[in-house]
Amino acid sequence: DAGITQSPRYKITETGRQVTLMCHQTWSHSYMFWYRQDLGHGLRLIYYSAAADITDKGEVPDGYVVSRSKTENFPLTLESATRSQTSVYFCASSPGTVTGNTIYFGEGSWLTVV
Amino acid sequence: AQKITQTQPGMFVQEKEAVTLDCTYDTSDPSYGLFWYKQPSSGEMIFLIYQGSYDQQNATEGRYSLNFQKARKSANLVISASQLGDSAMYFCAMRDFEGGGADGLTFGKGTHLIIQP
Repeated sequence: DAGITQSPRYKITETGRQVTLMCHQTWSHSYMFWYRQDLGHGLRLIYYSAAADITDKGEVPDGYVVSRSKTENFPLTLESATRSQTSVYFCASSPGTVTGNTIYFGEGSWLTVV
Repeated sequence: AQKITQTQPGMFVQEKEAVTLDCTYDTSDPSYGLFWYKQPSSGEMIFLIYQGSYDQQNATEGRYSLNFQKARKSANLVISASQLGDSAMYFCAMRDFEGGGADGLTFGKGTHLIIQP
């Protein structure tokens, strides 16, 4: 049971470069999410998706782009990386939005922008 | 707006003692869920326990239980007989289902729990 896999797990990139973080889930969950985790801020929602081809902004979407052409994949792209985007990024998924539906997380991607 | 408050930034507890991690929440929606996640030093987010707003009984999962006091809007996590492996960050989170719940979880800032031998 692979669940949610994120890649790369660790990445160092330079300011201004484009970076894509991949997320793949094997549960066929409808909902997928991207969070970032920073000291002092906890986890904050970047983007979410209710289904293939349906995405919406979360709390901190600026500087990020997402797509969801297939249910199982939800890549996150930093179009022009900045040092403030140094963070740990978590992809997550959920089967739905009815009472009791849990959100499950991937292992995280550590991104450093230098 | 949803809000989760965890008032204990850090806690030191002796091994085998019970631990209570505090969480209070604020929401105007009648249908919501409360979640606890564990984040060990390796970094992954591990789901521990869930409590629905309409659930009549407190949730339990092995050594974890959730002390749900709806009128007080609190959802404290209780870990019985703590173990060294329980040392980690613990996050309380909420999901509002009334509004669809599509936008996921609102998290607290977390509590860093350290179990001492």
